[in-house]
Amino acid sequence: SSELTQDPAVSVALGQTVRITCQGDSLRSYYASWYQQKPGQAPLLVIYGKNNRPSGIPDRFSGSSSGNTASLTITGAQAEDEADYYCNSRDSSGNHVVFGGGTKLTVL
Amino acid sequence: QVQLVQSGSELKKPGASVKVSCKASGYTFTNNAMNWARQAPGQGLEWMGWINTNTGNPTYAQGFTGRFVFSLDTSVSTAYLQISSLEAEDTAVYYCARVRYYASGSYSTYYFDYWGQGALVTVSS
Repeated sequence: SSELTQDPAVSVALGQTVRITCQGDSLRSYYASWYQQKPGQAPLLVIYGKNNRPSGIPDRFSGSSSGNTASLTITGAQAEDEADYYCNSRDSSGNHVVFGGGTKLTVL
Repeated sequence: QVQLVQSGSELKKPGASVKVSCKASGYTFTNNAMNWARQAPGQGLEWMGWINTNTGNPTYAQGFTGRFVFSLDTSVSTAYLQISSLEAEDTAVYYCARVRYYASGSYSTYYFDYWGQGALVTVSS
């Protein structure tokens, strides 16, 4: 079982804002990172650390954290944002890494 | 530009072994650990562990000890994942990814900034 918990599925209307959450005790001590994965493709890093976007990631993607919950927010969701999203962080021991179970985002 | 190129799909029988490669280019191979993750059909990502490309020291996640071995050939900037005594449950796409470390204040994290394209390993009799 994963130490990071994500909602299995979330939907958003085109152009609206959606928040995808990731919960876990380790998030009180460590940042989360977020990955987008489209069918048949490798994961793509979209957010890491406090709220950092790799080069090429649109600024509609942002990250935040409070207590044991990390969030990925997409402001003005586009059709191409429909994908699975995974969070990851260090585990409670700090020595290993864990992925959340993933959230399937549907853009309506 | 950074690239991780993995070996191709493999079809193996139960009990056999497989070795997946991950060739890095575009950066100094020994500057970053290499991570391995598994994704079974229709399932989420699962962290398998990583290998320190400087020392060759591997770290394995729970559930990936014994039959799973990470190794390196730094002369060709390549990391390897070998799985022995294959089982049907090992059928999955295996990804390598470059490890990065980020810290700000008292918080930190490990993240994976470049990923290989994945290698499908199918175990079937």
